[in-house]
Amino acid sequence: QSVLTQPPSASGTPGQGVTISCSGSSSNIGSNAVNWYQQFPGTAPKLLIYTDHQRPSGVPDRFSGSKSGTSASLAITGLQSADEADYYCASWDASLNGPVFGGGTKLTVL
Amino acid sequence: QVQLQESGPGLVKPSETVSLTCTVSGGSISSHYWTWIRQPPGKGLEWIAYVYYSGSTNYSPSLQSRVTISLDTSKNQFSLKLTSVTAADTAVYYCASADYFDRDSYHLLYFQHWGRGTLVTVSS
Repeated sequence: QSVLTQPPSASGTPGQGVTISCSGSSSNIGSNAVNWYQQFPGTAPKLLIYTDHQRPSGVPDRFSGSKSGTSASLAITGLQSADEADYYCASWDASLNGPVFGGGTKLTVL
Repeated sequence: QVQLQESGPGLVKPSETVSLTCTVSGGSISSHYWTWIRQPPGKGLEWIAYVYYSGSTNYSPSLQSRVTISLDTSKNQFSLKLTSVTAADTAVYYCASADYFDRDSYHLLYFQHWGRGTLVTVSS
């Protein structure tokens, strides 16, 4: 049982947009930054979004992050088959005094 | 560009201790927070511990009693020791560099550079 809650799966067709949610509490998302990671099968995760909505250099602006209260979202526009991957949200949890992850969302591009 | 490479035994017997090492290149270990994260087969990510170059450490509460993280600045390496392993510890273990900022109880910690991961299997 992960501290942050994500839907196990999401899907969309090429060119469409999709949003992945991440739900937490006041001890994590509600009071700390949210980050998102992208992971392809058999490879290490890659930082996609940090500090709620900032994109590292090289991440396309098709990927965007937002946060409201104790929930955060990752939006992907103009879906491509190359976006098929697992996506994880993460935040600091004050109760655990450390970083926590969501359970991950598997994105399928139909 | 910071690069990280994990090394470890691959196969460990139940109740034994597994030691993993992460070698950092392309950057100094005297900055950032150095972290271990694991991922059981087919499952999600779990943070284990991090160490700062000053030597300060932080451990996941669920693993704290069995884990030790350490830093060797002379070799640009950091290490993880996990004791009394069971099948539940079977996972890909990643090392990563983290940037961390905190002010007025607001915490930002993100994992920027990752190693490729090393699979540790616990089996007799």
